Amino acid sequence: KNQVEQSPQSLIILEGKNCTLQCNYTVSPFSNLRWYKQDTGRGPVSLTIMTFSENTKSNGRYTATLDADTKQSSLHITASQLSDSASYICVVSAVEEGMRFGAGTRLTVKP
Amino acid sequence: DAGVIQSPRHEVTEMGQEVTLRCKPISGHDYLFWYRQTMMRGLELLIYFNNNVPIDDSGMPEDRFSAKMPNASFSTLKIQPSEPRDSAVYFCASSSNTFSTDTQYFGPGTRLTVL
Repeated sequence: KNQVEQSPQSLIILEGKNCTLQCNYTVSPFSNLRWYKQDTGRGPVSLTIMTFSENTKSNGRYTATLDADTKQSSLHITASQLSDSASYICVVSAVEEGMRFGAGTRLTVKP
Repeated sequence: DAGVIQSPRHEVTEMGQEVTLRCKPISGHDYLFWYRQTMMRGLELLIYFNNNVPIDDSGMPEDRFSAKMPNASFSTLKIQPSEPRDSAVYFCASSSNTFSTDTQYFGPGTRLTVL
């Protein structure tokens, strides 16, 4: 069983709308959680990195939240743009256990 | 800076052949990572180096895979012999400082097809 579960698997929204992607994990002991954006045919690009003590981190229109007690994270995208169409990958690192990868959420923003 | 450079961008080979993928990290970065991505398995960490020394190779699938980092500006991932199930996109990434909190910068990837 994958220790990092992302939902939804895919999402279609209209340009200008907001959306929220979810990441639930069972990785322990927790070290950090990363969100990446990956455009088709390109390498992943880091959006945010959060450690245990951080609840929220923003990067432009992207805001990530972390609840270490419930082991949940979300990535909120505000005022979506066509260029936001991509896969979003959640990666959770455990102390001395390495990284665990979510399967990703495929976001499509339509005009 | 040109970012992480990988070569070749595409590789098509036949089963049983040796394949060598190359990576040049961002200058000054101490960490280098090799990843593999497939539709079935998603993104997987294969191995990472710190200051040219392999730290964790637990993700390397089997003995057919080997990685080296002879100096701070160059790394190779070799598959010998290659098999069709090795077909994937292989990414190299680098970061400057602490593994746990620093941003990793990914290269464009090498798309490997083994026939």
